[in-house]
Amino acid sequence: GNSVTQMEGPVTLSEEAFLTINCTYTATGYPSLFWYVQYPGEGLQLLLKATKADDKGSNKGFEATYRKETTSFHLEKGSVQVSDSAVYFCALRGSGGYNKLIFGAGTRLAVHP
Amino acid sequence: GAVVSQHPSWVICKSGTSVKIECRSLDFQATTMFWYRQFPKQSLMLMATSNEGSKATYEQGVEKDKFLINHASLTLSTLTVTSAHPEDSSFYICSAIDPSYEQYFGPGTRLTVT
Repeated sequence: GNSVTQMEGPVTLSEEAFLTINCTYTATGYPSLFWYVQYPGEGLQLLLKATKADDKGSNKGFEATYRKETTSFHLEKGSVQVSDSAVYFCALRGSGGYNKLIFGAGTRLAVHP
Repeated sequence: GAVVSQHPSWVICKSGTSVKIECRSLDFQATTMFWYRQFPKQSLMLMATSNEGSKATYEQGVEKDKFLINHASLTLSTLTVTSAHPEDSSFYICSAIDPSYEQYFGPGTRLTVT
């Protein structure tokens, strides 16, 4: 079945450091891929998405490229801020009509001044 | 973007009582809504899929008689935790699918059972 694996956290960085959170997936067909962010005590917000191979999703300085050859969708940001501290979830949705979102375990990011 | 609300945002109830959580799509109609449960520092666990006008589809291991789901209109789904116990304390998040299959999440409801 479909699954998502993302790097374990917590990830601790200093402000302005480069961020990478790895995400790989297993799926049949052509899934859509997502990154969601969850701030403390809140629900999930869609950060970015990509619906086909080689697509790059981007938002608020974050980027992720849908790599079918490596089945990956790594999240990157060139310069993190304290306000980026949150939990980041990689997710996929199977192809063909509407399918459930499958979430990774989440990666907690802590950015220090 | 589309907005999904939940009410209440937090609730404390006594063991043995029931509590209802509402999930509303504010600016779109949602034939499908999902209910998730999230334990501290863990990922979201899908509990059930709620379809307007029909019975919810529960994930394996989720007690349908304990977690009652009603999706009576295209903008409202409710989750009722019946005979709540401390182990039911958790963060409950709903999401709704808009007509273009985009999924939007509510802000979550924190339930504490004492």
